[in-house]
Amino acid sequence: GENVEQHPSTLSVQEGDSAVIKCTYSDSASNYFPWYKQELGKRPQLIIDIRSNVGEKKDQRIAVTLNKTAKHFSLHITETQPEDSAVYFCAASITRANTGNQFYFGTGTSLTVIP
Amino acid sequence: KAGVTQTPRYLIKTRGQQVTLSCSPISGHRSVSWYQQTPGQGLQFLFEYFSETQRNKGNFPGRFSGRQFSNSRSEMNVSTLELGDSALYLCASSPGRGRGTGELFFGEGSRLTVL
Repeated sequence: GENVEQHPSTLSVQEGDSAVIKCTYSDSASNYFPWYKQELGKRPQLIIDIRSNVGEKKDQRIAVTLNKTAKHFSLHITETQPEDSAVYFCAASITRANTGNQFYFGTGTSLTVIP
Repeated sequence: KAGVTQTPRYLIKTRGQQVTLSCSPISGHRSVSWYQQTPGQGLQFLFEYFSETQRNKGNFPGRFSGRQFSNSRSEMNVSTLELGDSALYLCASSPGRGRGTGELFFGEGSRLTVL
């Protein structure tokens, strides 16, 4: 099955700096890569996603890049703010019309933005 | 639209007991999946149900089981509880079919403590 590795497990940055979280996956059939943010005591929520036919996607201060050849994808947060402090999970999924998605999550990165 | 609702939110059991957790998906969503979240292990996939059928299954022992009802509500059951079953159990729903099926909408989770 799919194996997703995520690094680093913890990350501290100064407010205004950038943060980068990296994930690798093992199954070349994976075609959907979402990122979830989980604030303390709250539910995970999707912040950005990318499909395998796209190399990069941006949404304001957040961007995700995908390298299919190397089987890795990264989350980039620019101009970090204290409210970006949370645990971030990457995931890889194979999307099939008849069997839906089976998601494999990384172990999470705890991001702390220091004011 | 009401979000994903999980009950109970917190529960304490002793080893050897069994537990049943409930999940009500977003109205119109037909796919419900379950995840176990523990510190350092991230989100581990248990199983996914679509239209009352188990469509995907993770690598958990047979003590973990689930079902889905005709109204898409789902339950998961853990029998013969072990200390290692202490975790946050998250339920997520999605439309389950067609474009836009990628995003998972999570509930707030059921926190199980096994003593």
